[in-house]
Amino acid sequence: GENVEQHPSTLSVQEGDSAVIKCTYSDSASNYFPWYKQELGKRPQLIIDIRSNVGEKKDQRIAVTLNKTAKHFSLHITETQPEDSAVYFCAASGAGNMLTFGGGTRLMVKP
Amino acid sequence: NAGVTQTPKFRILKIGQSMTLQCTQDMNHNYMYWYRQDPGMGLKLIYYSVGAGITDKGEVPNGYNVSRSTTEDFPLRLELAAPSQTSVYFCASSSFSMTGNEQFFGPGTRLTVL
Repeated sequence: GENVEQHPSTLSVQEGDSAVIKCTYSDSASNYFPWYKQELGKRPQLIIDIRSNVGEKKDQRIAVTLNKTAKHFSLHITETQPEDSAVYFCAASGAGNMLTFGGGTRLMVKP
Repeated sequence: NAGVTQTPKFRILKIGQSMTLQCTQDMNHNYMYWYRQDPGMGLKLIYYSVGAGITDKGEVPNGYNVSRSTTEDFPLRLELAAPSQTSVYFCASSSFSMTGNEQFFGPGTRLTVL
């Protein structure tokens, strides 16, 4: 089955700096790659997603890039703010709408 | 729309007890899922359903059972609870897409087995 690895497991940045989280996946048939944000004690919520026919997608301060050849995708957050502090999960989905999640990255934005 | 709702929010069980975690969605989604999230870890798929009357095992199904008699409801049953089942349980739902779609999560049930 699919295996998704996520790095780093923790990331600390100064407010205003950029943050980058990277994921690799194993199944070349995977074609949908969402990113979820989970605040402490809350449910995961989708922040951005990308499909395999697109190389990059942006939404304000958040962007995701996908390299299908290398089987990796990344989340980029620019101009980080304290409210960006949370755990971020990447995931990959192949046929059947099943998501395999990475292990998560705890992002801490220091004021 | 309420989205995905789960009950109860919290529960403490003794070893060997049984319980059912309830999940309901009002978005008319075909797909529903149960995940568990251990402290500091990612989400592991327990069971999923692609429509009423159809269920299948995920990555960690042992010790659990599910049913899907309606589109809206997808209860998760724990039989003979064990300490290893202490976790936060999330139910999720999504509409069908050949290439995958956003999964909407419920608020979670925090279960402790002592």
